[in-house]
Amino acid sequence: KQEVTQIPAALSVPEGENLVLNCSFTDSAIYNLQWFRQDPGKGLTSLLLIQSSQREQTSGRLNASLDKSSGRSTLYIAASQPGDSATYLCANQAGTALIFGKGTTLSVSS
Amino acid sequence: DVKVTQSSRYLVKRTGEKVFLECVQDMDHENMFWYRQDPGLGLRLIYFSYDVKMKEKGDIPEGYSVSREKKERFSLILESASTNQTSMYLCASSQGGSTNEKLFFGSGTQLSVL
Repeated sequence: KQEVTQIPAALSVPEGENLVLNCSFTDSAIYNLQWFRQDPGKGLTSLLLIQSSQREQTSGRLNASLDKSSGRSTLYIAASQPGDSATYLCANQAGTALIFGKGTTLSVSS
Repeated sequence: DVKVTQSSRYLVKRTGEKVFLECVQDMDHENMFWYRQDPGLGLRLIYFSYDVKMKEKGDIPEGYSVSREKKERFSLILESASTNQTSMYLCASSQGGSTNEKLFFGSGTQLSVL
């Protein structure tokens, strides 16, 4: 059964720092890789989607990359802000449904 | 923007009650999903549907059933609620017809079974 692992589980950084969140998956048959943001007690918001034929996607200060050969994806956040504090989840699409990692909880202090 | 609406933000039910969780999406999406989210366990797929009246079991379907009589509505049913079904329930939808699709989530229903 496919598994998605996110490291670290939690991360605290000062405002302005650049940071990288990691995601690894056991199944090399990737259809697409999505990154989500979740605020406490809320639903998930899709941030970036990398299709299986792509290597990276960018949106504002966010950049997500995909390396299928190593089974890894990274989410790069530039110039972090307190408003970036949330849990970030990655998910690999297996058929119709997505398989999620457990997330990285990010805290950005001002 | 796609809107996925879950009927209740918080629910408190008693053990043994039949519970209905409703989800409606407004973008004519083919696929709809029910996940539950628990601390330390992450999101786990309960059921999904890729068409009206069609359903597929996810990873943890035991104790749940679903109904999709109309394209826009996907209901999760707890036939006889138990305390181990206390959880955050998240509904999601995607367009369908492709394997490269964004998933859109509702705000979630926090269910407590006493």
